[in-house]
Amino acid sequence: TQLLEQSPQFLSIQEGENLTVYCNSSSVFSSLQWYRQEPGEGPVLLVTVVTGGEVKKLKRLTFQFGDARKDSSLHITAAQPGDTGLYLCAGEEDNYGQNFVFGPGTRLSVLP
Amino acid sequence: GAGVSQSPSNKVTEKGKDVELRCDPISGHTALYWYRQSLGQGLEFLIYFQGNSAPDKSGLPSDRFSAERTGGSVSTLTIQRTQQEDSAVYLCASSPLSTDALNTEAFFGQGTRLTVV
Repeated sequence: TQLLEQSPQFLSIQEGENLTVYCNSSSVFSSLQWYRQEPGEGPVLLVTVVTGGEVKKLKRLTFQFGDARKDSSLHITAAQPGDTGLYLCAGEEDNYGQNFVFGPGTRLSVLP
Repeated sequence: GAGVSQSPSNKVTEKGKDVELRCDPISGHTALYWYRQSLGQGLEFLIYFQGNSAPDKSGLPSDRFSAERTGGSVSTLTIQRTQQEDSAVYLCASSPLSTDALNTEAFFGQGTRLTVV
């Protein structure tokens, strides 16, 4: 099973600041997903990236998939308290098997 | 319902007892996953079912853990002789079969919070 690492593990920032969180692996994934999880809820998908070098934007969130499809980053511009949560990246091991491997997550706290 | 349903939502059990956790996936989803999440932690993979294929049990932490998926739909995760370290939120997710990576997504239930006392 391929392993994913995420950094930082914890991040506490003030409203309006920018931040970037990272997801890294030594292995190649066919696709990579970012989820956000709020307390008491299951994770909810934010985005899927499949092409090396791909950049996707979702409002104030920018996702990038590394050229070699081993790593990804999530950048949040002008963070809001509503962005608070656990951000998980998940790699899909192959196109057909669809076994998602999750990283440990980055716990983000945005203070008003 | 339209989403993944898990029951019970909370379970308190005495050490040494057996527990069964249930997951009703979204209708038509061929893939079903069980994960465990300890307090403040990420998701630990437990087991994965895909259609009629043999399940991937590589994440089960011990032989006290087992899971079944009957009729390709409902799944039950059983923990025998529970220990305090089994306390966690157990999350179930399902996914439709698709060869298009852009259209794959794991839909999660709200989890079962298991507390072993």
